[in-house]
Amino acid sequence: KNEVEQSPQNLTAQEGEFITINCSYSVGISALHWLQQHPGGGIVSLFMLSSGKKKHGRLIATINIQEKHSSLHITASHPRDSAVYICAVGLFGNEKLTFGTGTRLTIIP
Amino acid sequence: EADIYQTPRYLVIGTGKKITLECSQTMGHDKMYWYQQDPGMELHLIHYSYGVNSTEKGDLSSESTVSRIRTEHFPLTLESARPSHTSQYLCASSHGYGYTFGSGTRLTVV
Repeated sequence: KNEVEQSPQNLTAQEGEFITINCSYSVGISALHWLQQHPGGGIVSLFMLSSGKKKHGRLIATINIQEKHSSLHITASHPRDSAVYICAVGLFGNEKLTFGTGTRLTIIP
Repeated sequence: EADIYQTPRYLVIGTGKKITLECSQTMGHDKMYWYQQDPGMELHLIHYSYGVNSTEKGDLSSESTVSRIRTEHFPLTLESARPSHTSQYLCASSHGYGYTFGSGTRLTVV
């Protein structure tokens, strides 16, 4: 069983819809990362969270440490948001990351 | 604006060839990593370095080797490429818990 589980694995939505991607983990962590990977492979770091909530433009990330759960929300989704979104966690005292399998998001115009 | 550079971006090479994938960062980060990602699969750590002359194997066994002679440079070498090495290779660096990723090298061994 992977230490980091994401859901859904695939998500297709219409442009403008509110998107939620979930991440659950089974171990104590020092930080959780949300990453975006476009076709072609390059990865962009969206958020790093250790508590609470962060917002950047149309993206919002939340984390509940007690429940070992994080969500990534996209408001007013756009076709350019189509990508794979990856959740990754860093363990205490260890900067190496453990990755989820990703959520493939497709936004249809 | 990329602060971590990987070359080449794509590489198709014949079996048995020696290849080196380059990774350089301009941020002065001590910690650098190589991850391997098969299509549709999660990233797995294959090598990491916590500073000059420090290299360690990651969680996923790999036939590749790495070196860290300079802080900014962390190349990965395959002495004899095989089709099983076909994958995407991503380089990253970190400072504290903040990560920066490269654009990746998509390697195909034919």
